Amino acid sequence: SAVISQKPSRDICQRGTSLTIQCQVDSQVTMMFWYRQQPGQSLTLIATANQGSEATYESGFVIDKFPISRPNLTFSTLTVSNMSPEDSSIYLCSVEDVVTSGQGRETQYFGPGTRLLVL
Amino acid sequence: AQKITQTQPGMFVQEKEAVTLDCTYDTSDPSYGLFWYKQPSSGEMIFLIYQGSYDQQNATEGRYSLNFQKARKSANLVISASQLGDSAMYFCAMNHPGGYNKLIFGAGTRLAVHP
Repeated sequence: SAVISQKPSRDICQRGTSLTIQCQVDSQVTMMFWYRQQPGQSLTLIATANQGSEATYESGFVIDKFPISRPNLTFSTLTVSNMSPEDSSIYLCSVEDVVTSGQGRETQYFGPGTRLLVL
Repeated sequence: AQKITQTQPGMFVQEKEAVTLDCTYDTSDPSYGLFWYKQPSSGEMIFLIYQGSYDQQNATEGRYSLNFQKARKSANLVISASQLGDSAMYFCAMNHPGGYNKLIFGAGTRLAVHP
């Protein structure tokens, strides 16, 4: 399965500032996904990032608040802009890959996440 | 609308016993995938097991098995011979292949394994 890393692993930020989260994959992948997990909650998809095109955002998420870049097939960034305490969450990137056992189906593998605290 | 429901906020199990975590889903699409992920306190999401809607047999991966009952729209995770390291949050999720394969997650179940 793909190996995914994220930077930073955690950060504490002041309100009104912005933070860019990096996601690096050890193999070329077509689709990358960015999720948010608010404290005590489940995961919610922010957007899907394809190389060479603009990201596709889910309802409730906008590009001005969460700009995404996808310069190549192994890398993506998510920026959390003009942060407020409500943005305190774990942000996870994921990629599609083929399950390495069983029937060879595709699934999503996740990076280790970025824990963000906004004061 | 597509939806995943996990009705058990928390579960307890004795070490070495088996435990079943419930998951029901709702979709009108005949083609879908069902997934289970484990999230330890470290926050990472660990893929456990996958079941396709057209698969005839229940999926198994080591100590994990998926009890897939299509007519009831349920996809329960069974963990056999529980270990202390199984204590974590468990999320059920669904996607619809063919489009872009975003995952829809349930609310999760927190499993505590007692010695």
